[in-house]
Amino acid sequence: DAGVTQSPTHLIKTRGQQVTLRCSPKSGHDTVSWYQQALGQGPQFIFQYYEEEERQRGNFPDRFSGHQFPNYSSELNVNALLLGDSALYLCASGPWQPYGYTFGSGTRLTVV
Amino acid sequence: QKEVEQNSGPLSVPEGAIASLNCTYSDRGSQSFFWYRQYSGKSPELIMSIYSNGDKEDGRFTAQLNKASQYVSLLIRDSQPSDSATYLCAVLASGGYQKVTFGIGTKLQVIP
Repeated sequence: DAGVTQSPTHLIKTRGQQVTLRCSPKSGHDTVSWYQQALGQGPQFIFQYYEEEERQRGNFPDRFSGHQFPNYSSELNVNALLLGDSALYLCASGPWQPYGYTFGSGTRLTVV
Repeated sequence: QKEVEQNSGPLSVPEGAIASLNCTYSDRGSQSFFWYRQYSGKSPELIMSIYSNGDKEDGRFTAQLNKASQYVSLLIRDSQPSDSATYLCAVLASGGYQKVTFGIGTKLQVIP
């Protein structure tokens, strides 16, 4: 049973560019949440998708957007990249009534 | 006031001792609480969840919850060097919002 799959594993982008990160949730999970984790910090909630709609959003600018597909997979898009967007981006999946998320291995984004 | 507060540590304990990790939260209506373990360079892994006041034990781990004091703790008995990691406290928001907020995490070092 595959867990949460994220791609790519690592990514280097130039300031001002756009990036798309992908996530396939664990089998049986229909809710996907995205988190940003800077070095030495806890994961910060970006947004959550359920039934192909954004249900909750954290304190992130509109440059951060997402999508959920009918098969529950999800994408995180970040436009106009800033140096401060460099972080580990984590996808977490679970049921709508969460009894604990399962995290993917993350995408390490470096903006230069 | 931060939504979820933890001491970032490091907390150093000798091998075989009890490690005590603490967390306070601000959302008085929260009902679901989680502890995640994160090894350096890896993604968080769920180790405990607790929903009712009191203690919940799972092997060497005991989670404690006091909703009146808005306090959650994790005890690790017979600490092993392999327990050295960052422990993240996470809280599910109240009001039907399926948003899980994480603390900064406490770094635990178990000294052989």
